[in-house]
Amino acid sequence: GNSVTQMEGPVTLSEEAFLTINCTYTATGYPSLFWYVQYPGEGLQLLLKATKADDKGSNKGFEATYRKETTSFHLEKGSVQVSDSAVYFCALRGTGNQFYFGTGTSLTVIP
Amino acid sequence: DAMVIQNPRYQVTQFGKPVTLSCSQTLNHNVMYWYQQKSSQAPKLLFHYYDKDFNNEADTPDNFQSRRPNTSFCFLDIRSPGLGDAAMYLCATSKGGGTYSYEQYFGPGTRLTVT
Repeated sequence: GNSVTQMEGPVTLSEEAFLTINCTYTATGYPSLFWYVQYPGEGLQLLLKATKADDKGSNKGFEATYRKETTSFHLEKGSVQVSDSAVYFCALRGTGNQFYFGTGTSLTVIP
Repeated sequence: DAMVIQNPRYQVTQFGKPVTLSCSQTLNHNVMYWYQQKSSQAPKLLFHYYDKDFNNEADTPDNFQSRRPNTSFCFLDIRSPGLGDAAMYLCATSKGGGTYSYEQYFGPGTRLTVT
């Protein structure tokens, strides 16, 4: 079946630090992979996506590469800002209309 | 801008009193989803519609029902809310039907409080 395993949080970083949030998946076939971000009291927003192996998704300084050999889609940012404080969800979409979410990782960036 | 709209943003209901949450979209997506999200947890899929076809998750309580009268609107009905149903309810949409690379678009959510 399909599932996503995400790094446990919470994560606290100083401004300008490097961020990595690990995400691995299990899927049949060739899923599409996504990172969503959720700010307090709001819905989820798409941050980036990758639809096939070796694709790199990027947005707002965040990047993630679809690694089929390690079934991973780790989120990285070189220099985090206070405004990046949020909860980050890794997700996959298999050969259907359902999406499978990780448990979320809370990030707090301190000045 | 094309978007997903949820009303109301905040809903207070009494224990056992039926409540309806609404979702509309201007994206013309054929798939609509309802999720329940409790604090510090991932969204939990309750059900989704692919066009008019209703797909219920096996562990969604019977207390939760949904209606989709047309492409643009979808409703979540909670027939007899319990205290455990207090949560954020998220509506999402996506393109479906043979192309599985499309992402979901989420509404801002409705925060339900049960008193």
